[in-house]
Amino acid sequence: GESVGLHLPTLSVQEGDNSIINCAYSNSASDYFIWYKQESGKGPQFIIDIRSNMDKRQGQRVTVLLNKTVKHLSLQIAATQPGDSAVYFCAENSNAGNMLTFGGGTRLMVKP
Amino acid sequence: DAGVTQSPTHLIKTRGQHVTLRCSPISGHKSVSWYQQVLGQGPQFIFQYYEKEERGRGNFPDRFSARQFPNYSSELNVNALLLGDSALYLCASSLSTGEGETQYFGPGTRLLVL
Repeated sequence: GESVGLHLPTLSVQEGDNSIINCAYSNSASDYFIWYKQESGKGPQFIIDIRSNMDKRQGQRVTVLLNKTVKHLSLQIAATQPGDSAVYFCAENSNAGNMLTFGGGTRLMVKP
Repeated sequence: DAGVTQSPTHLIKTRGQHVTLRCSPISGHKSVSWYQQVLGQGPQFIFQYYEKEERGRGNFPDRFSARQFPNYSSELNVNALLLGDSALYLCASSLSTGEGETQYFGPGTRLLVL
């Protein structure tokens, strides 16, 4: 079946640098995407979402970009901090209601 | 405000036993979804409930069942446990089941099957 996946399993960045986490999706009919952050021992925490009628959305220090042409999603984190260290998942909202399909996750490691 | 709560936090069972996991949604949320997260992977959808009715089911065997109560809390039951059922079980709540409704996750119940 169609699924959401990630290019890089681990990303290591220096504190203060910007981070970019990428995600590829295969269901061209998907129209809602979400980024979650999961710290060790905790459940996924909502970061930001974007609908398919947009190509960019900004939050506090985070920006999500959507390229529907190549079915690619990215999460940009500005001025990465040690507290940003976690596993980041992109998720796709299934057409059949509100069920989420998650990718495999990218581990972000922030070096001091 | 309290977020999604789940109980117990940890659980150890042996093969063949059954388990019941509990979830209380955020106040005002009427939809609850369950996900299984195996170590090192992303969560996989199991069930979604809204107003006590099942609205969706993932690719899981009939050993998995769930229900939602009038107060919108939910239980996930797993019978005849297998070693492969060891995982973090996550509950997420949302206002409804409309596409685009943000789902908020609880801390999960970590199940270990020996």
